[in-house]
Amino acid sequence: QVQLQQSGPGLVKPSQTLSLTCAISGDSVSSNSAAWNWIRQSPSRGLEWLGRTYYRSKWYNDYAVSVKSRITINPDTSKNQFSLQLNSVTPEDTAVYYCARGAVGATLNWFDPWGQGTLVTVSS
Amino acid sequence: SYELTQPPSVSVSPGQTASITCSGDKLGDKYACWYQQKPGQSPMLVIYQDSKRPSGIPERFSGSNSGNTATLTISGTQAMDEADYYCQAWDSSLNYVFGTGTKVTVL
Repeated sequence: QVQLQQSGPGLVKPSQTLSLTCAISGDSVSSNSAAWNWIRQSPSRGLEWLGRTYYRSKWYNDYAVSVKSRITINPDTSKNQFSLQLNSVTPEDTAVYYCARGAVGATLNWFDPWGQGTLVTVSS
Repeated sequence: SYELTQPPSVSVSPGQTASITCSGDKLGDKYACWYQQKPGQSPMLVIYQDSKRPSGIPERFSGSNSGNTATLTISGTQAMDEADYYCQAWDSSLNYVFGTGTKVTVL
């Protein structure tokens, strides 16, 4: 059974970098069939997919247009986890952030399972 | 930009059928999936590829997708089904898109 455990600070100052980590158990970040995603949820923006990393003989990343200039998602094979970095945050980035396992391809477009969620507040 | 629209709320009596719609341009040409989210919890997949149920999801949850509308149906609704429900699809330009969400109330 795949489980995802998130960690990271719940408070970030404006203009600084939001950093979260998602530890994977029951699967591998280097899996050739999975993709590892970050999704956030806020009252104003609803559920919003942010990006993913996946391994298919080499590492790939895809990012949502809305955050593409500010986001980095990195795998860490030594710890079997992946991370999210979102730069230059503003109060609009306040949300619950989730990591989730997915796959690559239009026919494999669901997320399961999800991490427990981390409320990140951007405030001075 | 691609959008998926859901009714804000649906009310249903225990034991009755709840139907939740998700509307998007030519949604039937894509695969839709559905998530259940209870207060303070993460979303949980209940339907994928329009109509398939993950292991452990009760048979009372079913789905369909045609034209511009995907539908999640809960037959014999139970009190434990009270939650927010979100549809989701993949759009080639915007990648993953989520619906606006529907709060299901079991009266």
